[in-house]
Amino acid sequence: RKEVEQDPGPFNVPEGATVAFNCTYSNSASQSFFWYRQDCRKEPKLLMSVYSSGNEDGRFTAQLNRASQYISLLIRDSKLSDSATYLCVVNRVTGGGNKLTFGTGTQLKVEL
Amino acid sequence: DGGITQSPKYLFRKEGQNVTLSCEQNLNHDAMYWYRQDPGQGLRLIYYSQIVNDFQKGDIAEGYSVSREKKESFPLTVTSAQKNPTAFYLCASSRLGQGQPQHFGDGTRLSIL
Repeated sequence: RKEVEQDPGPFNVPEGATVAFNCTYSNSASQSFFWYRQDCRKEPKLLMSVYSSGNEDGRFTAQLNRASQYISLLIRDSKLSDSATYLCVVNRVTGGGNKLTFGTGTQLKVEL
Repeated sequence: DGGITQSPKYLFRKEGQNVTLSCEQNLNHDAMYWYRQDPGQGLRLIYYSQIVNDFQKGDIAEGYSVSREKKESFPLTVTSAQKNPTAFYLCASSRLGQGQPQHFGDGTRLSIL
């Protein structure tokens, strides 16, 4: 089983739609969580950290359920510019420092 | 502007050659990382370093080497022992401590001639 699992998509949605991505992780020692966005042939960019209480940044809301080892990202009022691949990222601290594990990403295509 | 600079953007290697990818950051971050990304796969960690003159192997270190002589710089050498080097290579840096996100350079695409 992969350490971080995501539905690869693609999710094709109309502009203005609300879309939700899910992610599960297998290592209960994981301590911090992030969503990154990656455009085609570009580097990943941090979208938001994910906190236990849930957090919101504009149209984006992230939730964490530690008991179920589940992370979600909700995008409201989606824009054409939201089209990208969204990477779920899980961090745990090892003897050598922080170790990030990346999911393979969920592709979003927002259409007119 | 603070950031991470990777060079070159595109690199072509002949069979049997070693090549070195550059990564420089001016964010004053202690930790630096190298990943490779292949189509349809997540990023995989090659090497990482938390402090000058020290580094650790990641999940796929075979065929690669690194050095960390300066805080700002973490070059990656892809040796001839790496049998499948064609990939997108990404360098990242972060502050130390739990919960610190990593910030990425814009990557180097390596191809075999």
